[in-house]
Amino acid sequence: GENVEQHPSTLSVQEGDSAVIKCTYSDSASNYFPWYKQELGKRPQLIIDIRSNVGEKKDQRIAVTLNKTAKHFSLHITETQPEDSAVYFCVAGYSSASKIIFGSGTRLSIRP
Amino acid sequence: NAGVTQTPKFQVLKTGQSMTLQCAQDMNHEYMSWYRQDPGMGLRLIHYSVGAGITDQGEVPNGYNVSRSTTEDFPLRLLSAAPSQTSVYFCASSPGLAGGNEQFFGPGTRLTVL
Repeated sequence: GENVEQHPSTLSVQEGDSAVIKCTYSDSASNYFPWYKQELGKRPQLIIDIRSNVGEKKDQRIAVTLNKTAKHFSLHITETQPEDSAVYFCVAGYSSASKIIFGSGTRLSIRP
Repeated sequence: NAGVTQTPKFQVLKTGQSMTLQCAQDMNHEYMSWYRQDPGMGLRLIHYSVGAGITDQGEVPNGYNVSRSTTEDFPLRLLSAAPSQTSVYFCASSPGLAGGNEQFFGPGTRLTVL
């Protein structure tokens, strides 16, 4: 079955710097790669997703890159702000699958 | 639209008690699922449903039952609560199969079993 590894488990960056979170997956059939953000005490929410027919997608300060050959994808946050502090989860899925596996999460802290 | 709603928000049980966590969605989504989230761990799938009358097990189904009699509702039943079931429970729905669609989460239920 699918296995998703996420690194690092914790990340602390200075406000204004960039943050990068990486995930690797095992199932080469995976074709959908969403990222979820969970603020403290809140529900997870989708912030960006990418499908396997593109290599990169951007939405303002966040971007996701995908390397299908190496089976890894990354979340990039530029010009970090205090409101970016949260736990981020990656997912590797494929469109005909009934269930998905979440990565173990990365706790991102932004230092003022 | 209210989206995905869950009740109760907090619950304390004694070992051996049973209870039902409620989940409802008003987006006409076919797919619904239940996850548990423990400290330092990600979201683990308990049970899921691809439509009314159809349910299946996820990664950690033991000690839990589900049913899906309507598109809108997907209750999770704890048969005989154990301290190991202390966790935050999230219900989610999506317009299609989970593998290719955004998951919309409810606000969660924080359960403590003494």
